[in-house]
Amino acid sequence: KAGVTQTPRYLIKTRGQQVTLSCSPISGHRSVSWYQQTPGQGLQFLFEYFSETQRNKGNFPGRFSGRQFSNSRSEMNVSTLELGDSALYLCASSTTSGGDGELFFGEGSRLTVL
Amino acid sequence: QKEVEQNSGPLSVPEGAIASLNCTYSDRGSQSFFWYRQYSGKSPELIMSIYSNGDKEDGRFTAQLNKASQYVSLLIRDSQPSDSATYLCALRSGGSYIPTFGRGTSLIVHP
Repeated sequence: KAGVTQTPRYLIKTRGQQVTLSCSPISGHRSVSWYQQTPGQGLQFLFEYFSETQRNKGNFPGRFSGRQFSNSRSEMNVSTLELGDSALYLCASSTTSGGDGELFFGEGSRLTVL
Repeated sequence: QKEVEQNSGPLSVPEGAIASLNCTYSDRGSQSFFWYRQYSGKSPELIMSIYSNGDKEDGRFTAQLNKASQYVSLLIRDSQPSDSATYLCALRSGGSYIPTFGRGTSLIVHP
């Protein structure tokens, strides 16, 4: 059974640019959550999608957005990139909304903003 | 604000010893507790979940939950160098489907 797939794995952008990250969940999983991980802040919740609807949202500015498609694949977009957006962005899938915390993570997309 | 506190470490233990990882939390409404392991450069993976007070054992791992004292711990018996990783504590309260993560404790098991 394939795991959670995130693309791209690594990317470098400059301030002011935008970026789109993609996540394909485990087959049959309808919930996709996005997290930002940095050494200073740890894992910070961005948002969760379930059946194409945003169910929960963390405390991030509106520059961070996402969506989910009918096949459960999800994308997140960050516009007007700032240096502080440099982080590992992790996607996690689950069978139910929030998955009672039992999340299956992808390998992440490491974003560097110069 | 839900807070999950973990000592960042590193916690260094010799091979074969018991590693004890602790996590305290502030939200008394927390109902579900999880331990994730994250190897360097890899993504977190769930190793244990616990929902009621007491101990839960799974192989070399034992999770302990004390809701009155608001702490949850993870014991790793017969620690191996392959256990060297960062261990993340996470919890979910009854009013939220989204788990809150601690910043993790780095564990080093030296031969």
